[in-house]
Amino acid sequence: GQQVQQSPASLVLQEGENAELQCNFSTSLNSMQWFYQRPEGSLVSLFYNPSGTKQSGRLTSTTVIKERRSSLHISSSQITDSGTYLCAMERSSGSWQLIFGSGTQLTVMP
Amino acid sequence: GGIITQTPKFLIGQEGQKLTLKCQQNFNHDTMYWYRQDSGKGLRLIYYSITENDLQKGDLSEGYDASREKKSSFSLTVTSAQKNEMAVFLCASSINRGGETLYFGSGTRLTVL
Repeated sequence: GQQVQQSPASLVLQEGENAELQCNFSTSLNSMQWFYQRPEGSLVSLFYNPSGTKQSGRLTSTTVIKERRSSLHISSSQITDSGTYLCAMERSSGSWQLIFGSGTQLTVMP
Repeated sequence: GGIITQTPKFLIGQEGQKLTLKCQQNFNHDTMYWYRQDSGKGLRLIYYSITENDLQKGDLSEGYDASREKKSSFSLTVTSAQKNEMAVFLCASSINRGGETLYFGSGTRLTVL
């Protein structure tokens, strides 16, 4: 079965609203990365966050290994935040293989 | 900063055709990857390479070949395109193993008629 699950699958916000994206994973996976995929397809790494909380501007990532989850919080959303947010985990410690979730498609409306 | 360049951006093929996708990076990264993304789904690893001339199979390697003749380039070959296949192929690189930050190219969109 799928080892990384993301929710919600899609989300529509009004500009200025906050968003909370979730990623749940199985115990056999390690580390955590969040990526942003632009509408035209390219991906940008947002966070490498194996545990704890990291913040970058309006984005905050929190990973709780014991609870097998990671979240991405977007505050004061902007239209340019629209796109797909993907989380990914290492299959095992030191592995070269990342297992990706199916993504959350975010649309921010004016 | 560096960049990953994928060519072509769009690739249209015929059923049964052998198709090659190319990827170049100037980060001087050791590890390169090819991922496939189907509509509405996450990325799945096809092949990766941890150094020049190295090849490692991912979960989705059947039906594909790869080549890493230089540190800076990694090519992927679809050995026999499947009719009505549509997917985006994404190339990535990292300093070493997958736990490090990955840098992605903008993708090659494949359509098979």
